[in-house]
Amino acid sequence: GAVVSQHPSWVICKSGTSVKIECRSLDFQATTMFWYRQFPKQSLMLMATSNEGSKATYEQGVEKDKFLINHASLTLSTLTVTSAHPEDSSFYICSAAAAGPYNEQFFGPGTRLTVL
Amino acid sequence: AQSVSQHNHHVILSEAASLELGCNYSYGGTVNLFWYVQYPGQHLQLLLKYFSGDPLVKGIKGFEAEFIKSKFSFNLRKPSVQWSDTAEYFCAGGSTGGGNKLTFGTGTQLKVEL
Repeated sequence: GAVVSQHPSWVICKSGTSVKIECRSLDFQATTMFWYRQFPKQSLMLMATSNEGSKATYEQGVEKDKFLINHASLTLSTLTVTSAHPEDSSFYICSAAAAGPYNEQFFGPGTRLTVL
Repeated sequence: AQSVSQHNHHVILSEAASLELGCNYSYGGTVNLFWYVQYPGQHLQLLLKYFSGDPLVKGIKGFEAEFIKSKFSFNLRKPSVQWSDTAEYFCAGGSTGGGNKLTFGTGTQLKVEL
């Protein structure tokens, strides 16, 4: 099956710094990538949808200036958490989907962000 | 509005017991449905999916799900669970042509006891 990687798998940073998370589709071209946030023992919350070469679409309540998303190529999307604060600590998961009507997404392993 | 709901939040079973996890959806038009599993400390893995055709879908590791359109349901089943099935299970749905966007249920934490 299709493989999606994320880097880093975990990161610890100081409050006020910015953190970049990469999401790559390794063996297929992802026209759309999604970024989710998952709190402990909770479901995935969609943060934003990004299409290659265009601006990301953010879900209601997600600050686009805080969570910068770039989808520069068909295999790479990045999420930058700017001026991170402890409340941004979470598990961030990306997924990728190829073109088509079936909604199938392939998930990355996630990135655990801890802001001190 | 599009939504997916899972009514069982926590399920505890003994090994060899049968499993059924409920999932209901609310969508207009054609819906695509998925079950994902997340083992402790691991990432989401696809168990099975339904796009069209036979409403009884068989997935990996002995899991199956039945799409019942009249009940707006897509329940996950396994005849005999194992300790290694302990995990969180998520139902998800999306509408055809909806830009691949998925809506996830709140998840069901399954614990299988020896």
